[in-house]
Amino acid sequence: GQNIDQPTEMTATEGAIVQINCTYQTSGFNGLFWYQQHAGEAPTFLSYNVLDGLEEKGRFSSFLSRSKGYSYLLLKELQMKDSASYLCAVSPKAFNKFYFGSGTKLNVKP
Amino acid sequence: ETGVTQTPRHLVMGMTNKKSLKCEQHLGHNAMYWYKQSAKKPLELMFVYNFKEQTENNSVPSRFSPECPNSSHLFLHLHTLQPEDSALYLCASSQESPNQPQHFGDGTRLSIL
Repeated sequence: GQNIDQPTEMTATEGAIVQINCTYQTSGFNGLFWYQQHAGEAPTFLSYNVLDGLEEKGRFSSFLSRSKGYSYLLLKELQMKDSASYLCAVSPKAFNKFYFGSGTKLNVKP
Repeated sequence: ETGVTQTPRHLVMGMTNKKSLKCEQHLGHNAMYWYKQSAKKPLELMFVYNFKEQTENNSVPSRFSPECPNSSHLFLHLHTLQPEDSALYLCASSQESPNQPQHFGDGTRLSIL
């Protein structure tokens, strides 16, 4: 079966840095996506990794190690609006099929 | 505004009712998806359509019946649902390409009485 693991909940302070981990075991790998979902809203795309290494996009960065089945999302200079759930999703086949983790709820405190 | 619109946003129905969820995308994508999101559980892929053809049915009970009349519209017809079917139902669309992300609608919050 497919297995995607993320911590359930994390808390961090405004202005700090937080790292949200995702480990996966899937039959095949064709990319890993991170999404942000605010309560009551649609998940929105944050980043995509298919090769090992770090992808940086402003305050958000995502890292991938395919040999370890591991990714993390790094959020810098945290803001209150970053309080949301962060979903890790893996595409095991070429496209059009995705497996999601349960999501990590991030609470940002003043 | 994500470019994917779902209606209704909320739906309460009895177990014997028949209702339909609607999804429309304005992004020119050729793949559309239905997901179920329950509290504390991963998003569960239900159905995938590519160019109006169903390419994935993830062992979904027959009380859920999808319909995709064209690449922009997707329906989920519901009948004789069970209380455990109460959840957020999300529609998404994407281009049929390996590195293309999915764009999600805001979902329909479904409650079965």
